[in-house]
Amino acid sequence: TQLLEQSPQFLSIQEGENLTVYCNSSSVFSSLQWYRQEPGEGPVLLVTVVTGGEVKKLKRLTFQFGDARKDSSLHITAAQPGDTGLYLCAGAPGDDYKLSFGAGTTVTVRA
Amino acid sequence: NAGVTQTPKFQVLKTGQSMTLQCAQDMNHNSMYWYRQDPGMGLRLIYYSASEGTTDKGEVPNGYNVSRLNKREFSLRLESAAPSQTSVYFCASGRQGDQPQHFGDGTRLSIL
Repeated sequence: TQLLEQSPQFLSIQEGENLTVYCNSSSVFSSLQWYRQEPGEGPVLLVTVVTGGEVKKLKRLTFQFGDARKDSSLHITAAQPGDTGLYLCAGAPGDDYKLSFGAGTTVTVRA
Repeated sequence: NAGVTQTPKFQVLKTGQSMTLQCAQDMNHNSMYWYRQDPGMGLRLIYYSASEGTTDKGEVPNGYNVSRLNKREFSLRLESAAPSQTSVYFCASGRQGDQPQHFGDGTRLSIL
């Protein structure tokens, strides 16, 4: 059983559409990280959220940390083919340093 | 370019063989990590090193050993490879007390 559940598992949309990826858990996290991974490469850290209710924006990407610090979402506005990739959320419950990863959401943006 | 370098990029082993995966970072990070990535399971932590000279087990340490040779290098050894260890292995580094911030491009390991 994954500590962090990501949904949906796969997402395919047309260029210009919006999308949201969800990351949920029954555990409380001191922080959550979002990564993007492209085929044949390692994950790249996009953002870290640490405060319940926090919203961070990175150009067309908006990250939100739930008030109870058990869930997070990633919203992409006007998706582009360059947004294609595997999006991973990760977090360490409580004060544990051992980061747990979700299984990931594969996003495909068609031109 | 600064970053995390892993060698080799690809390797095929026979069951029972041993090998060492190498990882080096040039960002002066204290923390280094080894993960494995399997389809549908995300990344799972094998071992972690908070600083030179210290290592700690992660979620899936059985069948692996690690060495933090110095601040830059963190190696992962498979003493007797098993087919269940077929996976993509990632090394990562981060500042003291931080989660992994930089990942290498991975070693794709197949065990027959």
